[in-house]
Amino acid sequence: DTGVSQNPRHKITKRGQNVTFRCDPISEHNRLYWYRQTLGQGPEFLTYFQNEAQLEKSRLLSDRFSAERPKGSFSTLEIQRTEQGDSAMYLCASSWGGSYNEQFFGPGTRLTVL
Amino acid sequence: AQRVTQPEKLLSVFKGAPVELKCNYSYSGSPELFWYVQYSRQRLQLLLRHISRESIKGFTADLNKGETSFHLKKPFAQEEDSAMYYCALSPLNNNDMRFGAGTRLTVKP
Repeated sequence: DTGVSQNPRHKITKRGQNVTFRCDPISEHNRLYWYRQTLGQGPEFLTYFQNEAQLEKSRLLSDRFSAERPKGSFSTLEIQRTEQGDSAMYLCASSWGGSYNEQFFGPGTRLTVL
Repeated sequence: AQRVTQPEKLLSVFKGAPVELKCNYSYSGSPELFWYVQYSRQRLQLLLRHISRESIKGFTADLNKGETSFHLKKPFAQEEDSAMYYCALSPLNNNDMRFGAGTRLTVKP
């Protein structure tokens, strides 16, 4: 296990198209997080799973965004009808246990919406 | 509302000089505070957290509840410390981790 992995690493799409990103967490981790990072900013929390349950969602997560974590393993983040403002780095992180525990980050998926 | 402020976007020091990266937060309760670091072409990783009271790579951070600050310090900076540093806050019983905008530290030879 080499850590959290994300695919694809880069995605270029046209406005209005749907995109889906995948995150594979560290295998024994029960918690999985999605963040969005735009240029010059720190990561912004989007949503969080404990096992397969999506327990928190940020108000940043509009109805065009949906995330799943079937069977509590990998997770997908889908953006429908992409907009240019969706262009960002999408980061996934995983951890074990409580909210005070270390989160291990993936390399991110860079989305560019033309 | 919870917020993390890192007032310096860029910080440059010479090798061997002391360095302090500032972090101020606003939160009404008792949060846990972290420093994450991102070295060039690497992923974001934890540097240290308040609850552990550790010194990692010579860095320490002291929580000052009166000033709501969690500044990161190192007495003698090294060139390999050059990186992007993010201060983060995790509220009690909540998983909405808030990050600051980050400070890019450059340590010159």
